[in-house]
Amino acid sequence: NAGVTQTPKFQVLKTGQSMTLQCAQDMNHNSMYWYRQDPGMGLRLIYYSASEGTTDKGEVPNGYNVSRLNKREFSLRLESAAPSQTSVYFCASTEGPWRVAYEQYFGPGTRLTVT
Amino acid sequence: DAKTTQPNSMESNEEEPVHLPCNHSTISGTDYIHWYRQLPSQGPEYVIHGLTSNVNNRMASLAIAEDRKSSTLILHRATLRDAAVYYCILRDVLGAGNMLTFGGGTRLMVKP
Repeated sequence: NAGVTQTPKFQVLKTGQSMTLQCAQDMNHNSMYWYRQDPGMGLRLIYYSASEGTTDKGEVPNGYNVSRLNKREFSLRLESAAPSQTSVYFCASTEGPWRVAYEQYFGPGTRLTVT
Repeated sequence: DAKTTQPNSMESNEEEPVHLPCNHSTISGTDYIHWYRQLPSQGPEYVIHGLTSNVNNRMASLAIAEDRKSSTLILHRATLRDAAVYYCILRDVLGAGNMLTFGGGTRLMVKP
């Protein structure tokens, strides 16, 4: 099992450009998450998908959109990148079901710089 | 989710036990206590979780106070590979989406 994979690993964007971060998991998990981590800080939740076909906002959703393409894949889109979105982005997944506190598995991260 | 308080940093010697404290005085009856750690330049990884009773697994032990207002993550023999940021997180089992709310964590430094 590869676990949670993310592409790309690194990306540099100019202000106003758009891009999509890809995430896939091969553990047949129901729930998937996107977090961002700024230097020296803990992770903050951007969006999550509790199950295939649903998405919900997390703590810091502004400037982002997400798509749960199927059970395996959950993408994060920046429509018009801003320097404030320079961060490391982590995707995670968990088995679920909805109300049980199962462990989350994290990907290796995407380091994004917006100039 | 209820908040947690952890020391910013701790130091340990290699091959000695490490006790990482966490205070969570406003914990509710449906909050699980989770610990994750983040090695340098990696995503967080799950360490352990518990509700009321002490828990052991291959990575660590979790000691939970009787009133549940504090807990301690115990690494029995620290290695250099255990140098990481350790996050203590409360997860409300009744909350939406099984989300985790990360604080600043404790940076553990292990000296050879």
